[in-house]
Amino acid sequence: GIQVEQSPPDLILQEGANSTLRCNFSDSVNNLQWFHQNPWGQLINLFYIPSGTKQNGRLSATTVATERYSLLYISSSQTTDSGVYFCAVGSGGFKTIFGAGTRLFVKA
Amino acid sequence: DAGVIQSPRHEVTEMGQEVTLRCKPISGHDYLFWYRQTMMRGLELLIYFNNNVPIDDSGMPEDRFSAKMPNASFSTLKIQPSEPRDSAVYFCASAGSSNYGYTFGSGTRLTVV
Repeated sequence: GIQVEQSPPDLILQEGANSTLRCNFSDSVNNLQWFHQNPWGQLINLFYIPSGTKQNGRLSATTVATERYSLLYISSSQTTDSGVYFCAVGSGGFKTIFGAGTRLFVKA
Repeated sequence: DAGVIQSPRHEVTEMGQEVTLRCKPISGHDYLFWYRQTMMRGLELLIYFNNNVPIDDSGMPEDRFSAKMPNASFSTLKIQPSEPRDSAVYFCASAGSSNYGYTFGSGTRLTVV
């Protein structure tokens, strides 16, 4: 089946810094989503982005489907951005596979 | 909309007992998913439904697990008999075929002792 790799596995930032999280996948996809799991365990959908670029406030995402990767940009990070960021991909139907995540800690 | 609603939030049960987890998807969403999250295995898709019909249950660990969706507004995940290795957080999510982004419920933390 399709493989998903996220990097880096862990990231520590000073508040106000910018960061880029990466998601590589092993096959063509028709479904790619980014999620944030906050310290209380809630999973929040950030983007549905099988291709192209989207922006939502301080967050933006780009997926280059032909090269099999997606990037999540966080600008001017805040302590509330802490948590785990997951990339989830699907290559057929709705069977979506999650990566292992990037654990982010933003220091005040 | 109140979002995806799961119950109970926490469940502690003894090994061998039956456990039933419940989920109410967002109204109008025609896809429903059950995921399990553990430290060792991360987020795993167990089963998903489309229009109340199970489409893919290849992630269901074994026959002790079963899931149903009797109508568009309710689904259950049952474990019988439960074992300590079933301890995990179980998430339900729903999505619409016009907007494929998933909305997750708050999860049920299951502990089997």
